[in-house]
Parts: sequence; C-alpha cells; structure tokens
Amino acid sequence: DAMVIQNPRYQVTQFGKPVTLSCSQTLNHNVMYWYQQKSSQAPKLLFHYYDKDFNNEADTPDNFQSRRPNTSFCFLDIRSPGLGDAAMYLCATSRDYPRLAGAAYNEQFFGPGTRLTVL
Amino acid sequence: QKEVEQNSGPLSVPEGAIASLNCTYSDRVSQSFFWYRQYSGKSPELIMSIYSNGDKEDGRFTAQLNKASQYVSLLIRDSQPSDSATYLCAVIITGYSTLTFGKGTMLLVSP
Repeated sequence: DAMVIQNPRYQVTQFGKPVTLSCSQTLNHNVMYWYQQKSSQAPKLLFHYYDKDFNNEADTPDNFQSRRPNTSFCFLDIRSPGLGDAAMYLCATSRDYPRLAGAAYNEQFFGPGTRLTVL
Repeated sequence: QKEVEQNSGPLSVPEGAIASLNCTYSDRVSQSFFWYRQYSGKSPELIMSIYSNGDKEDGRFTAQLNKASQYVSLLIRDSQPSDSATYLCAVIITGYSTLTFGKGTMLLVSP
C-alpha cells in the first residue's frame, strides 16, 4: 500500500544533542510537509517542499532545518534540542499545492509521527 | 489573520446518538475544508473533504459547508465508542498553499 513512513516512531535525545527525524513516501507526491504538534494543540507547520523547492514558515526557529534529497525522502534536523522542542513531529504529503479549489490533490496525508522526548 | 475556531470540548454523546462537531473560519475566501480524526498519541487521519456549499455524505459521516456563514460541520451518525477521538478542522485559504488547522474538538462516545 502507498503510504507515508516516519522513523523512528519514538526518539529520546538529550538537551542540546542533535537529532534527525526521517520521512519517506511511496505516494509519489510532489509536496512534503513537516509539522510540530504539542499536546492539545493544532499541528504547527514548520516547512514544506514542492519537489526540492523549500519553503520555511516565518516563525520556524533557526534550530530546525530540513532536507529533501529526493522525491521520496525528507528529513527534519533539530540542531540543539531544548525542552520546549519535545513534541510529536508529523510528516505529511499532498500530490500538489491547492492551485484549484475542489481538487483531490489538495488533500494532505500524514505519516504516523515521531514522538520526541528531550531529557 | 487566518483563524480556524473549534470548541475544544469534550463533547460527550451516548452510543448510537448523532455527534455534531462545528468549525468556523475567519477568511471569507477560504476554498477547501477538511476534517481529520486524531486518536490520542496518533497522527491525524483524513476522513472528509468538502469544497462546495451543502452536504457531503460518506458512510456515517456528513460534512456540511455554509460559506456565507463561514461555517463547516461534521455529523457522525450512530456514534460508536471507537469514534472517541479529537476531530481537527482544517482549511485552505485562497492564495495560501498550506492548511490552517483548528485546535480540535475532543469527542467522547460512551457505551
């Protein structure tokens, strides 16, 4: 089945120790997104790519970086994790950007998430 | 400012009842609307999308959209305990390439 895969599912790191989260997709979608979600909050968009064109949300901290080496894979790097970075990190994909209302390619599909704990 | 508002709940309904979840949005030119279900500790799962005014039905789920009132709702008929989850409303606003999420409404269905 076509899907969005995230690894690892659970990641424990120490304060200040860099960590990399990965996402892969077999949907052949053009757009990939990284979200951060804390308890009882809405998912917060960090980055998105159309193919290799990178888009950074204005309020995404510099501590967060992202790479998309090819269509299938995307990585989230947290250079110096702080206690406030503990969250669920969600990867999502969509076939295209929402250029036309009502198009199925507007739909975003999420991976299972990576739960990050910072000690 | 882009805003999507949902009552945080919890909304409690007995098994077999109709659950009604509501969402309002601030931007008049919003064009695409989605409902996601999120179980505790899991990722969001897309359950409905709606783009035109009126109702859209899929099994036990009905999405309702009223663009004039800037209101979208999700009805769940014959609610089951397995429907207990947080339901996230998400909106694509014209000119933006990304979703804006509400904070979600927690639904509790009691046996």
